[in-house]
Amino acid sequence: EPEVTQTPSHQVTQMGQEVILRCVPISNHLYFYWYRQILGQKVEFLVSFYNNEISEKSEIFDDQFSVERPDGSNFTLKIRSTKLEDSAMYFCASSDGQGFTDTQYFGPGTRLTVL
Amino acid sequence: AQSVSQHNHHVILSEAASLELGCNYSYGGTVNLFWYVQYPGQHLQLLLKYFSGDPLVKGIKGFEAEFIKSKFSFNLRKPSVQWSDTAEYFCAVNAYTGRRALTFGSGTRLQVQP
Repeated sequence: EPEVTQTPSHQVTQMGQEVILRCVPISNHLYFYWYRQILGQKVEFLVSFYNNEISEKSEIFDDQFSVERPDGSNFTLKIRSTKLEDSAMYFCASSDGQGFTDTQYFGPGTRLTVL
Repeated sequence: AQSVSQHNHHVILSEAASLELGCNYSYGGTVNLFWYVQYPGQHLQLLLKYFSGDPLVKGIKGFEAEFIKSKFSFNLRKPSVQWSDTAEYFCAVNAYTGRRALTFGSGTRLQVQP
């Protein structure tokens, strides 16, 4: 069964540094998403991406964040200047985009630790 | 904006006990409802989903959930749990408005004792 994959599984960085989290969505899916979960808190939506542009974003997704699909398989989340409060588990998801009832499939997550 | 509440944060059961995990949402319009499970060290997996039709939906591994529109609820049930059901369970909703963002509940950690 196809799966969403994410790399790295754990990323440690210094405050103020840029990080790029990588995801490979399921190959025939059209919508891509990033969510995050701060330790002990809910899973929160960050952004969705379709047809090479952002289709939705939350208030969390400010100018420090950006997403890109640099090639036909990867989907990345960049945090320009990390803050301590960016420490979280970041989940990538994808869906086939068939109507408004499609299902999002999640990757295993990248744990980001900002020191 | 919609929100999701899961009132049970940590549930401990013995094997063969019955399970019911509560999920309530707040949104006045039509919603899509999901239950995801996260086994230790693994990623979020879809257990079941409700879009329309029969309000009693069956998912994988013997789980089912019932959508009660009047109560804004989508409770997860299993008649007899197994040790392998130990996991964290998340209820999620998205509004049937064209927005695809999922709103998650805080999760329920289920511990099944052998």
